Amino acid sequence: DTEVTQTPKHLVMGMTNKKSLKCEQHMGHRAMYWYKQKAKKPPELMFVYSYEKLSINESVPSRFSPECPNSSLLNLHLHALQPEDSALYLCASSTPSGIAGAPFHSTDTQYFGPGTRLTVL
Amino acid sequence: SQQGEEDPQALSIQEGENATMNCSYKTSINNLQWYRQNSGRGLVHLILIRSNEREKHSGRLRVTLDTSKKSSSLLITASRAADTASYFCAPNTGGFKTIFGAGTRLFVKA
Repeated sequence: DTEVTQTPKHLVMGMTNKKSLKCEQHMGHRAMYWYKQKAKKPPELMFVYSYEKLSINESVPSRFSPECPNSSLLNLHLHALQPEDSALYLCASSTPSGIAGAPFHSTDTQYFGPGTRLTVL
Repeated sequence: SQQGEEDPQALSIQEGENATMNCSYKTSINNLQWYRQNSGRGLVHLILIRSNEREKHSGRLRVTLDTSKKSSSLLITASRAADTASYFCAPNTGGFKTIFGAGTRLFVKA
């Protein structure tokens, strides 16, 4: 299974809502990522989890709250978002898998999910 | 990691022609990857070239890397309408942080 799945495909929410995006992979990858992509722009890194621990937070506003409950799942909890947060949210995962705590020397291939198209009204 | 800069920003060609896009970067890298993104979808990994490699092929794709010039190129031969997409390079100096360049938007006319 070389697939990263994301749900939902589309999400429309109001500024007072709380919602969550979900990402799942069963490739044994131990690094997982959230990216945000605005129209006609490249993906921008938001968070990186390594062995279920938050490794990188790119100064993302606290209204975005990531969670990695296990090695296969990555969530992004959304609360009190603004209309400018409307974007395509992409999840990705990468190798290596295996030895816990082994240092990551370079980013290997990232496998991306299809994304969640988020609209904030 | 660092950001690559792709050139050109947009490219329009006829089906059957070759498409070449370039990526430049600023500091030494461990590897450089190319990704494709069809409109509004996730990115698909195309090819990874390591710093000690000069050229790599995958089907109709050919990637070159010139570390002395800090540049890479992606050549798509005999292009098809289905190759219409945005192409991003991602130079990597180590670690997790991948920063994608602005990308080249390729349009292949049938």
